[in-house]
Amino acid sequence: GALVYQYPRRTICKSGTSMRMECQAVGFQATSVAWYRQSPQKTFELIALSTVNSAIKYEQNFTQEKFPISHPNLSFSSMTVLNAYLEDRGLYLCGAQGDTEVFFGKGTRLTVV
Amino acid sequence: GEQVEQLPSILRVQEGSSASINCSYEDSASNYFPWYKQEPGENPKLIIDIRSNMERKQIQELIVLLDKKAKRFSLHITDTQPGDSAMYFCAASAYTNAYKVIFGKGTHLHVLP
Repeated sequence: GALVYQYPRRTICKSGTSMRMECQAVGFQATSVAWYRQSPQKTFELIALSTVNSAIKYEQNFTQEKFPISHPNLSFSSMTVLNAYLEDRGLYLCGAQGDTEVFFGKGTRLTVV
Repeated sequence: GEQVEQLPSILRVQEGSSASINCSYEDSASNYFPWYKQEPGENPKLIIDIRSNMERKQIQELIVLLDKKAKRFSLHITDTQPGDSAMYFCAASAYTNAYKVIFGKGTHLHVLP
């Protein structure tokens, strides 16, 4: 079956530091990968959509300078949260698209202290 | 616009009764409408979806209706059970070179015994 693994599952970082999270597609080729953030008590905000052989497109309020993404092949993507602050805390979800369906990982929960 | 509105935010129903969640979207190019169920500490899981060439789809106790003219779609859970208690997210997606999935704000469904 198609699975998406995200790691780490949970992480704590000090305010002003950076942390990297990874997303691995297993059992299918991820032609596109979307990164979302679910802040406490909120829905999933789309950060950026990365499609193989196309530029990574960031949504309003999110920038490459703050959330650099790497998508080197059809099974792997990583995103870094640079200079994390309190408002960056939440669940970061990776959605990897197969043929017609988007599969989600369990997310990386970021706590900023 | 790409907003997806979802109501209600909280829904309490008696076990065995039906539950309905309503969503509306803005982007007329949207052609794929998935519904996700998220249990505490878990990633969102696809439970049913509908494409723009359909008006109704049913999988067991789940029914999805789509009104393209009104840009509305809804999820109906018949004969609710305690295991149906969870967060439910609707989403709308338009395919360009990838599915860009935009989520609603979620509905917290409580099925009361």
